[in-house]
Amino acid sequence: TQLLEQSPQFLSIQEGENLTVYCNSSSVFSSLQWYRQEPGEGPVLLVTVVTGGEVKKLKRLTFQFGDARKDSSLHITAAQPGDTGLYLCADAASGTYKYIFGTGTRLKVLA
Amino acid sequence: SAVISQKPSRDICQRGTSLTIQCQVDSQVTMMFWYRQQPGQSLTLIATANQGSEATYESGFVIDKFPISRPNLTFSTLTVSNMSPEDSSIYLCSVATGGGTEAFFGQGTRLTVV
Repeated sequence: TQLLEQSPQFLSIQEGENLTVYCNSSSVFSSLQWYRQEPGEGPVLLVTVVTGGEVKKLKRLTFQFGDARKDSSLHITAAQPGDTGLYLCADAASGTYKYIFGTGTRLKVLA
Repeated sequence: SAVISQKPSRDICQRGTSLTIQCQVDSQVTMMFWYRQQPGQSLTLIATANQGSEATYESGFVIDKFPISRPNLTFSTLTVSNMSPEDSSIYLCSVATGGGTEAFFGQGTRLTVV
């Protein structure tokens, strides 16, 4: 069974600081997604990456996929209180539509 | 994309009782998924619900405890039976589209068992 380990588990930072969240898989990703979940809501997709070494940017968020497709990082520049939430990496088991989610990183950005 | 509505959004239930959670999708989908999110934790898949067949349960989850119905391509229910405080969690309904490259979620049902 694939295991997705995220670090750190918790992160509390001041507005304007930078941060990086990591996701490591016990096996090669089929298709890596990053989601953000805000309190009282379901997770919402931020990005999908499929190619080893791929880098994607979404405004202040930069997503990097490892060359071996077993790890990923999410970097946030100049964090804002609106970035607060639970960040989850996920993999969709090939051909099944079933998702495995990482252990999660709970981010709090203080104004 | 898909818009998913779940009811109820939250409930407080007595131990030993059952709660049925409803999930409505705004488009027809083949597979619907039910996840559990225990307090402060990530999401764990409970089962996959296909229209016209029995749900497929993941390891650690059984039909007697979490019966699922899927009467049509836009609706599903999950029942949490004979509840105990350990069942206190957020239960989320989900569908996947675009070849499985994106999952959409309802807002979740926050269940507290007392």
